Amino acid sequence: LAKTTQPISMDSYEGQEVNITCSHNNIATNDYITWYQQFPSQGPRFIIQGYKTKVTNEVASLFIPADRKSSTLSLPRVSLSDTAVYYCLVGDQGGKLIFGQGTELSVKP
Amino acid sequence: DTEVTQTPKHLVMGMTNKKSLKCEQHMGHRAMYWYKQKAKKPPELMFVYSYEKLSINESVPSRFSPECPNSSLLNLHLHALQPEDSALYLCASSQGPQTGELFFGEGSRLTVL
Repeated sequence: LAKTTQPISMDSYEGQEVNITCSHNNIATNDYITWYQQFPSQGPRFIIQGYKTKVTNEVASLFIPADRKSSTLSLPRVSLSDTAVYYCLVGDQGGKLIFGQGTELSVKP
Repeated sequence: DTEVTQTPKHLVMGMTNKKSLKCEQHMGHRAMYWYKQKAKKPPELMFVYSYEKLSINESVPSRFSPECPNSSLLNLHLHALQPEDSALYLCASSQGPQTGELFFGEGSRLTVL
């Protein structure tokens, strides 16, 4: 299984763009890259998923370089409510999705 | 309906008790999952059910016993737990095992005395 490495924590200010990079050097051909957000005492919430290049939805963008050994979650214009833990997951779609340590994002006014 | 509902929200049990955690979804999803999460740690995968059959067991101790009575329900039976089993137990579902988009419930906070 591909292991992921993320920064443990990040700080930002309201209105800024935040980029969280995840390293997954031994990603396999079949693996997708998925990001989740989790608030304290709540279940994780799906943010975005991609396989290669760039994916964008209403809340975030996901950038994946050609070698797929890393990925970057981009949150445009964060607000205080984006303070949460963000997890990068790499899985082979066989159901075995393993969470890494996550990045604790703190957004300040 | 895009919810995964878990009951109870909080559970306190002694080491000799038998209790169950329940999870329900009505999104027509065919894969369901149990994760365990300790404070300040990521969720750890315990079990995966695919089309009502147990497909993944992450070497979980036998004092945790999963059950999938039908495609909408997932139970986790608890017996002879240890204090270190105290954690937030999260249920999730997905359309099938071939997707990474999991829908999580709010979790059941378990305390073992």
